[in-house]
Amino acid sequence: NAGVMQNPRHLVRRRGQEARLRCSPMKGHSHVYWYRQLPEEGLKFMVYLQKENIIDESGMPKERFSAEFPKEGPSILRIQQVVRGDSAAYFCASSPRTGEYEQYFGPGTRLTVT
Amino acid sequence: QQQVKQSPQSLIVQKGGISIINCAYENTAFDYFPWYQQFPGKGPALLIAIRPDVSEKKEGRFTISFNKSAKQFSLHIMDSQPGDSATYFCAPRGGGTSYGKLTFGQGTILTVHP
Repeated sequence: NAGVMQNPRHLVRRRGQEARLRCSPMKGHSHVYWYRQLPEEGLKFMVYLQKENIIDESGMPKERFSAEFPKEGPSILRIQQVVRGDSAAYFCASSPRTGEYEQYFGPGTRLTVT
Repeated sequence: QQQVKQSPQSLIVQKGGISIINCAYENTAFDYFPWYQQFPGKGPALLIAIRPDVSEKKEGRFTISFNKSAKQFSLHIMDSQPGDSATYFCAPRGGGTSYGKLTFGQGTILTVHP
């Protein structure tokens, strides 16, 4: 059973470009969470999605960031007009269903903005 | 407002010793209390977790102790090994409207000397 997959693993963008991060949850998992980890810090919650629905986006910056989890295909975290402060590791986690407590994390995408 | 405080920030232990990491929280709506282990360049991996109706849980060399009235829980690693050297995070899960969200502590860097 493959784990949570994220791609790309490393992404370099110039200031002002767009970054698209993809997350494929574990097989059978319909809940996806995105977290951001700045250097030397813990992970910070960004957004929680189920298929075609955003459940909780309380951790998402109000501008430039968006997330989706379509009926088919991976979840996408999109960052428009990136700035240097967006440089971080972005992790995706998945869980099978509501009420299932365990979240399983992917390897992360390390975004560098130059 | 920092909801989760983890201590110590770093810990050095000799092989065979006991490692103890503590986590204090403020939000009484948390309903699930996991510890994650993270190696450099990897995503966090669920190590062990406890629910608030239990005061202690043991899995192999790892034990969680939970004190609901003090709003604290701790991770004990018995017979610590060099392979346990990693960063450890407590990450209680939010209840109520934030039921999917993990709130991570700042992390504890554990080094086990051979």
